[in-house]
Amino acid sequence: GAGVSQSPSNKVTEKGKDVELRCDPISGHTALYWYRQRLGQGLEFLIYFQGNSAPDKSGLPSDRFSAERTGESVSTLTIQRTQQEDSAVYLCASSAHRDQPQHFGDGTRLSIL
Amino acid sequence: EDKVVQSPLSLVVHEGDTVTLNCSYEVTNFRSLLWYKQEKKAPTFLFMLTSSGIEKKSGRLSSILDKKELFSILNITATQTGDSAVYLCAVPNSGNTPLVFGKGTRLSVIA
Repeated sequence: GAGVSQSPSNKVTEKGKDVELRCDPISGHTALYWYRQRLGQGLEFLIYFQGNSAPDKSGLPSDRFSAERTGESVSTLTIQRTQQEDSAVYLCASSAHRDQPQHFGDGTRLSIL
Repeated sequence: EDKVVQSPLSLVVHEGDTVTLNCSYEVTNFRSLLWYKQEKKAPTFLFMLTSSGIEKKSGRLSSILDKKELFSILNITATQTGDSAVYLCAVPNSGNTPLVFGKGTRLSVIA
């Protein structure tokens, strides 16, 4: 596609449920990133995929968070046993190469009741 | 620890005014500094400044990087209501690509 696509755009779920967020990067982009943005806050790095290398998971806040990416295509961010503090907008970005600008999707707004 | 600090946190101006947004950074092994504009949803890429490209301009927007003093400014001339947004500054952190973002400057342009 023309840009980074994320789904769903909004997700409301009950505390304790698992959620899956999806990201379709720009075709041909080898690098893919997940960020979290809490209300009124800056972007917080979560995880980074570069080609077939092992992902950089240093930003994941707890073991309830995980992400997968198959090759250079779609990525899924999974949050298990959601907590209210997980409420945020989850943004995905991709770049052609690690030193190229990152381009963002519109994000998934996650609300935990 | 790598750090990006933006100022002011918010700014209200009238249409036609010129604004200057500031970004200071502390990062070892500097590679680049990026500016993004965030309206309601996705941050939109504006500029990337590197050691070999310390000044960029696009229309009414321009940006300068001062590597010696470790800061960058984003200038917007003849502001319009459509410039209202949060402007984010970011740098790749030391040794890794993922960006460290500042908290942003919220610009409001009123008619």
